[in-house]
Amino acid sequence: ETGVTQTPRHLVMGMTNKKSLKCEQHLGHNAMYWYKQSAKKPLELMFVYSLEERVENNSVPSRFSPECPNSSHLFLHLHTLQPEDSALYLCASSQDSGLRTDTQYFGPGTRLTVL
Amino acid sequence: AQKITQTQPGMFVQEKEAVTLDCTYDTSDQSYGLFWYKQPSSGEMIFLIYQGSYDEQNATEGRYSLNFQKARKSANLVISASQLGDSAMYFCAMREANAGGTSYGKLTFGQGTILTVHP
Repeated sequence: ETGVTQTPRHLVMGMTNKKSLKCEQHLGHNAMYWYKQSAKKPLELMFVYSLEERVENNSVPSRFSPECPNSSHLFLHLHTLQPEDSALYLCASSQDSGLRTDTQYFGPGTRLTVL
Repeated sequence: AQKITQTQPGMFVQEKEAVTLDCTYDTSDQSYGLFWYKQPSSGEMIFLIYQGSYDEQNATEGRYSLNFQKARKSANLVISASQLGDSAMYFCAMREANAGGTSYGKLTFGQGTILTVHP
C-alpha cells in the first residue's frame, strides 16, 4: 500500500534545467513535508506545510521552491541546481494533530542527480 | 550538539536471532515522542514503532519492541527473530514539543544504522 506517492522516482538534470518533483498523499493528512537525504548525512527537513500554509523553511536555498496547492499535493520546483544538490528527496505527510503521537509517513523518494 | 545519536554504523545478525539497535537522544522537553523507521535499499522510509515520553510501558509492534530508558535517554530498537527482509537502514527520530505555537512537530533523525541479516 502506498499512501504517499512521489514522481518521478529518478531524475537526472543539468545545472541550467528547471524541473519539478511531485508528491501526493492519499491518507487525508493535513501536513506535508520535504526532506533531503544526502549520503552520510541525517535527513534534513526542508519545508513543512500545514493546511496548505508553509510553516517551516529550514534555511533552504532559493533554487528550491515548494508549492502546496491543496492538502493532498506538494511540489518542489527546482532551478539552477548545483551538483551538491544531488540526493534522495523524500516527501512525508502526517495528520498534524499537534499530538506527540503524530506520525509522519513517507513516500518512496526521488533520486536526483545534478550533472 | 546532536539530538539523536546512533552509535552503530553497521550491525550484523544471524537469521532468527534477536538484535538491538542503539539510540540515545538529547532534549530538555518533558513531552516528546520517539520513532523508529526502516529504510530498505528502495529508499522508502517505513514507520515501525512509536514511544511517547510519558508512556510507562515499552512499545511493541509485532517483532519490534522499544527498550525505553527515560533516565538514560535511550530508546533502543529490538528486533526479534530476524528475517532476511530486515536487512535495511534503521533510523531513530525524535519529535519534540511544538515550538512557537505551530501545530506541527519537527522530527530530528539520527545518522542511521545499517542492519545486515545473514542466512
